[in-house]
Amino acid sequence: DADVTQTPRNRITKTGKRIMLECSQTKGHDRMYWYRQDPGLGLRLIYYSFDVKDINKGEISDGYSVSRQAQAKFSLSLESAIPNQTALYFCATSRGGTQYFGPGTRLLVL
Amino acid sequence: SQELEQSPQSLIVQEGKNLTINCTSSKTLYGLYWYKQKYGEGLIFLMMLQKGGEEKSHEKITAKLDEKKQQSSLHITASQPSHAGIYLCGADIPEQVNRDDKIIFGKGTRLHILP
Repeated sequence: DADVTQTPRNRITKTGKRIMLECSQTKGHDRMYWYRQDPGLGLRLIYYSFDVKDINKGEISDGYSVSRQAQAKFSLSLESAIPNQTALYFCATSRGGTQYFGPGTRLLVL
Repeated sequence: SQELEQSPQSLIVQEGKNLTINCTSSKTLYGLYWYKQKYGEGLIFLMMLQKGGEEKSHEKITAKLDEKKQQSSLHITASQPSHAGIYLCGADIPEQVNRDDKIIFGKGTRLHILP
């Protein structure tokens, strides 16, 4: 089984809808991250969490929120999706240094 | 702020040929990571370099960090179709070292292997 899983893997939604992307990990890492990847822009950090009670904004947090339900679970929400949030979203975990990535969620906002 | 520039942005090579991808930082690198991504899929960790002059190899992929710790190169020997994908370098943000493991990434190098 994969150490870092993301659900759903693909999602199509409409502008204005609320959507949640979920991430689970079995690596036992305290630190979790959400990134988005856009062509030509690389990976950009949205939010990161040191532990269940410690959540921090990344470089592009506007329009997103997160919830760290447990050490192993970190969810990303788009409160009111807009087309420019169409992207490939990655969750990652780390204990120190190296980050381990999930398979990604491809989101299309119409 | 620190930036990572990768070159080339895209690379097409004949199967069996060698190739090199570069990652250059605007600031000293404290930790440099190489990842591979198959198109539309997740990132696979390849290796991490920390010390100036360090070199690591995994199968036919070798990565080096220069002595000044501002540039890393990834070299693939005798390329195969399985090497195709996007290669990203990532670096620890100096002011965040030992604090929160934030990494910044280059924009990636797309590698195509022609049979």
